[in-house]
Amino acid sequence: ELKVEQNPLFLSMQEGKNYTIYCNYSTTSDRLYWYRQDPGKSLESLFVLLSNGAVKQEGRLMASLDTKARLSTLHITAAVHDLSATYFCAVAPLTFNSGTYKYIFGTGTRLKVLA
Amino acid sequence: ETGVTQSPTHLIKTRGQQVTLRCSSQSGHNTVSWYQQALGQGPQFIFQYYREEENGRGNFPPRFSGLQFPNYSSELNVNALELDDSALYLCASSLKYGRGIYEQYFGPGTRLTVT
Repeated sequence: ELKVEQNPLFLSMQEGKNYTIYCNYSTTSDRLYWYRQDPGKSLESLFVLLSNGAVKQEGRLMASLDTKARLSTLHITAAVHDLSATYFCAVAPLTFNSGTYKYIFGTGTRLKVLA
Repeated sequence: ETGVTQSPTHLIKTRGQQVTLRCSSQSGHNTVSWYQQALGQGPQFIFQYYREEENGRGNFPPRFSGLQFPNYSSELNVNALELDDSALYLCASSLKYGRGIYEQYFGPGTRLTVT
C-alpha cells in the first residue's frame, strides 16, 4: 500500500523560531508537492519539486526533495503567525497500466505559530 | 486562484439522499480528479476522468459515481448518503498528454454535511 507520512502531526512554535516538517513516502515518485490549507479552505499550492535534489524557496519556506531516500522537507525560517495552517505533502506515482495520475496526500502537519 | 470552480459551496443533506456536486475545469484541461477530505485528514482520491471516461478509481464504493462532459466539466454523484460522507469534496483539473507532467489545480471545494 502506498503511504505518505508526515511528522510531526502537530507543531506549536514561537514566532522567530526555525523548524522542519518531514515527509516520507513509500513509493517511487520523482515529483512531490507541498500545499497549505487554512481552516475550511481549499489547498494552496506552495511548491512543486520535480527532481532529486530539487530545492525551492519562497519567503520563509524552503522545500527540498531526496528521491533516493524518499524524503522531502519543508523548512520554516523565523516563523510568523501568518504561517499558522495545515501543511500537506503529496506524491504522484504514475500507474503505468491505466495512466492514472493521482495524488497521494500525507497526513498533514498542523502548524500553530504563537506570537 | 486556479480557474477551477465548484458548486455549490456548502450543502446539507439527510442520510439516504442523493447529491450531485459540480466542477468546471481550468481552461485547456482535459482531466478532472475528485478527492474527499474528511475533517482532520488529508484528501483521499475518489476517481479521475479523462476524455469523458473513468481513468482510475480509489477505494470508494460504487455509490460514488461521476461524469465528465465534452467541455471537460464534471459531476460527482453520491447515492444513499451516509453520515461518514460528510467532508470537503475537492475537484482538481489537469492536462494529460502522454506521460507528461500533470500538475493538478484544485478548486475551492464543496462542504457536504450529512445529517
